[in-house]
Amino acid sequence: EIVMTQSPATLSVSPGERATLSCRASQSVSSNLAWYQQKPGQAPRLLIYGASTRATGIPARFSGSGSGTEFTLTISSLQSEDFAVYYCQQYNNWPPTTFGGGTKVEIK
Amino acid sequence: EVQLVQSGAEVKKPGESLKISCKGSGYSFTSYWIGWVRQMPGKGLEWMGIIYPGDSDTRYSPSFQGQVTISADKSISTAYLQWSSLKASDTAMYYCARLADYFDYWGQGTLVTVSS
Repeated sequence: EIVMTQSPATLSVSPGERATLSCRASQSVSSNLAWYQQKPGQAPRLLIYGASTRATGIPARFSGSGSGTEFTLTISSLQSEDFAVYYCQQYNNWPPTTFGGGTKVEIK
Repeated sequence: EVQLVQSGAEVKKPGESLKISCKGSGYSFTSYWIGWVRQMPGKGLEWMGIIYPGDSDTRYSPSFQGQVTISADKSISTAYLQWSSLKASDTAMYYCARLADYFDYWGQGTLVTVSS
């Protein structure tokens, strides 16, 4: 099973600042990597798929990069509605699929 | 508009059975896999299994094989997740989601509480 490791576990950022979240796979997943945002009391929402393609309706301040085993989600200028937990997911040759443990982005 | 609407919250006792549902609309229900994802209180996301409603082909995560049953009724565009004997450790939020390699649309979640 491919293990996905996200860092940091918690990221404290001021509104308007840039946030950089990392996701590492235990073996190559090519570009088969998605990012999700989950706010308290809500279902996860797809942000990015194919490592770098924004899902429908996702603002341009969200961007994804990477391939193989190292991936990054960048939020260029944090808005109040962006404070949430973010998960990465690999879907290379699945099943199975695996999620990372999540990064909580909180207000500094 | 693609929608997945899940059944409501459940409170059960250990040993009881349960079947929760996920109704799809706004797309061809038989053309996409549907997955189930568990989120235990304060924890992350765990994939449980998937089903292809077109032919009921089902795949389970090894962690959940034998613990739950996933099924679907394509005539009413509904997928199901069921337990024959609940445990306190099954207390969690359960999400269904449409699979397009990744999960592109999610249900609102069903909270299952198992307590004596």
